[in-house]
Amino acid sequence: GNSVTQMEGPVTLSEEAFLTINCTYTATGYPSLFWYVQYPGEGLQLLLKATKADDKGSNKGFEATYRKETTSFHLEKGSVQVSDSAVYFCALSPPLSGSARQLTFGSGTQLTVLP
Amino acid sequence: SAVISQKPSRDICQRGTSLTIQCQVDSQVTMMFWYRQQPGQSLTLIATANQGSEATYESGFVIDKFPISRPNLTFSTLTVSNMSPEDSSIYLCSVEVGGTEAFFGQGTRLTVV
Repeated sequence: GNSVTQMEGPVTLSEEAFLTINCTYTATGYPSLFWYVQYPGEGLQLLLKATKADDKGSNKGFEATYRKETTSFHLEKGSVQVSDSAVYFCALSPPLSGSARQLTFGSGTQLTVLP
Repeated sequence: SAVISQKPSRDICQRGTSLTIQCQVDSQVTMMFWYRQQPGQSLTLIATANQGSEATYESGFVIDKFPISRPNLTFSTLTVSNMSPEDSSIYLCSVEVGGTEAFFGQGTRLTVV
């Protein structure tokens, strides 16, 4: 079956530091890959996605590249801000689908950015 | 897009009691989904709720423990029955729009004592 393995947290960084949150997956074929973010007291929001190999998803300064050869989708940001403090979830779904019914999530990584 | 409102946002309940969680969406949707997030773990799909039919439960989840209602295209409830401390989790409601993107409520943080 499908699975997602995410870097364990919590992660604490200073403002303007470089962020990497590792995510690797196990799936058949070419799944769609997602990063969701959950700010305190809010629901999960889609941060970015990639639907095929070598695609790069980007949003709000965050980037992740779909690497088929390493089955990875690591999240990066060059300079984090205090407002980026949240829980980040890596997820996958079967090809061409972002359907909630078929999402497989990682365990989530808590990020805290200090001023 | 879709805006989802969940109630309550959190609750502390006695073991053996039941809690009903409500999920309201600002638009009509075909399918609604209920997830559980146990402490330190990933989200797990409990069931899929279609309007006018019984919910479809994932392996490990049963209707007697997690009855679901879906009276119309904008509303659903999940009940956690006969609660034990192991039911302490965050419960999330979700909908899909256009078959390509999932939207989530803010979650209900349940603590069973």
